[in-house]
Amino acid sequence: KAGVTQTPRYLIKTRGQQVTLSCSPISGHRSVSWYQQTPGQGLQFLFEYFSETQRNKGNFPGRFSGRQFSNSRSEMNVSTLELGDSALYLCASSFDGSAGNTIYFGEGSWLTVV
Amino acid sequence: GENVEQHPSTLSVQEGDSAVIKCTYSDSASNYFPWYKQELGKRPQLIIDIRSNVGEKKDQRIAVTLNKTAKHFSLHITETQPEDSAVYFCAANVEYGNKLVFGAGTILRVKS
Repeated sequence: KAGVTQTPRYLIKTRGQQVTLSCSPISGHRSVSWYQQTPGQGLQFLFEYFSETQRNKGNFPGRFSGRQFSNSRSEMNVSTLELGDSALYLCASSFDGSAGNTIYFGEGSWLTVV
Repeated sequence: GENVEQHPSTLSVQEGDSAVIKCTYSDSASNYFPWYKQELGKRPQLIIDIRSNVGEKKDQRIAVTLNKTAKHFSLHITETQPEDSAVYFCAANVEYGNKLVFGAGTILRVKS
């Protein structure tokens, strides 16, 4: 069974640009969450999607957005990139997002903003 | 607000010794407590988790204990090996759904 797949793995963007990251959850999983990991702030929750609906959102500005498709694949977008957006962006999937579901992480997308 | 505190921030042990990492959480509704191991440049990998209906869970050299009354849970690694060296994160679920709040992480170094 394939794990959580994220693309691209590495990317470099310029301040002011926008970026889209993609995530394919484990087959059969319908809940997808996104996390940002930085040395200073650690692992922080961005948002969760289930059945194409955003079910939960963290404390990030509106520049961070996401969506989920009918096949459970998800994308997140960051507009007007800032230097502080440089981070590892992790996608996580679980079966149905119920409290207590086991959560598995993808390899992440390393974003560098210059 | 939602918070998970993790201690210690760094831990050095001799190979073969035991390592213990402790976490406390604030949301009394939390009922799922996973532990992740993250090696340099890699994704967090689930190593063990515990749900609130049990007080202890063991998987070979790794065990986790949960005290819901005190709102704390701990990771125990016995007979540590150099390959156990990594950053370990505890987490607790909050609200409904899959939102996890993470501790700040513990850098574990196992000296051979």
